[in-house]
Amino acid sequence: GDSVTQMEGPVTLSEEAFLTINCTYTATGYPSLFWYVQYPGEGLQLLLKATKADDKGSNKGFEATYRKETTSFHLEKGSVQVSDSAVYFCALNNNDMRFGAGTRLTVKP
Amino acid sequence: KAGVTQTPRYLIKTRGQQVTLSCSPISGHRSVSWYQQTPGQGLQFLFEYFSETQRNKGNFPGRFSGRQFSNSRSEMNVSTLELGDSALYLCASSEGQAGNQPQHFGDGTRLSIL
Repeated sequence: GDSVTQMEGPVTLSEEAFLTINCTYTATGYPSLFWYVQYPGEGLQLLLKATKADDKGSNKGFEATYRKETTSFHLEKGSVQVSDSAVYFCALNNNDMRFGAGTRLTVKP
Repeated sequence: KAGVTQTPRYLIKTRGQQVTLSCSPISGHRSVSWYQQTPGQGLQFLFEYFSETQRNKGNFPGRFSGRQFSNSRSEMNVSTLELGDSALYLCASSEGQAGNQPQHFGDGTRLSIL
């Protein structure tokens, strides 16, 4: 069945460092891909999405490109802030949602 | 526009009891999905309802059930609670069927089983 694999955390970075969280997927057909973020004590919030190959989703300085050839959707940000500390989930939707295990990011001042 | 509202936020039950959780989707959204989140298993899909019909179901036992009302509000019921049912239960809504549309999540109901 469809599945999402993302890099295990936790990831700890200093403020202004470059962030990459890897995500690869397995799916039939052409799923939509998403990154969600979960802050402590809250539900998931949609961060960005891409619905077809080569689409780039972007929001709040985060970017991810839908790479069908490598079945990947890696999340990147050029300069992280303390406020970016959260758990990040990669997900696909191909008739139903499948989530990766989540990657906890901690950004230190 | 109000977001997805889940009630209650916290719940404590004992083994063998049953529980009902409620979810009010964003106004105009007709699809409601439920997820279980635990540290060990991560986020797992329970089921999706669209226009009062269960459209999709995850791999959970029959003790987990749900329904959707004509106003799109949804309830999830878990019977004969087990310790392993302790989790954060998240509800998400979308305008149409959860195909390629993003879902909007509530803050969840944290269920603790003693």
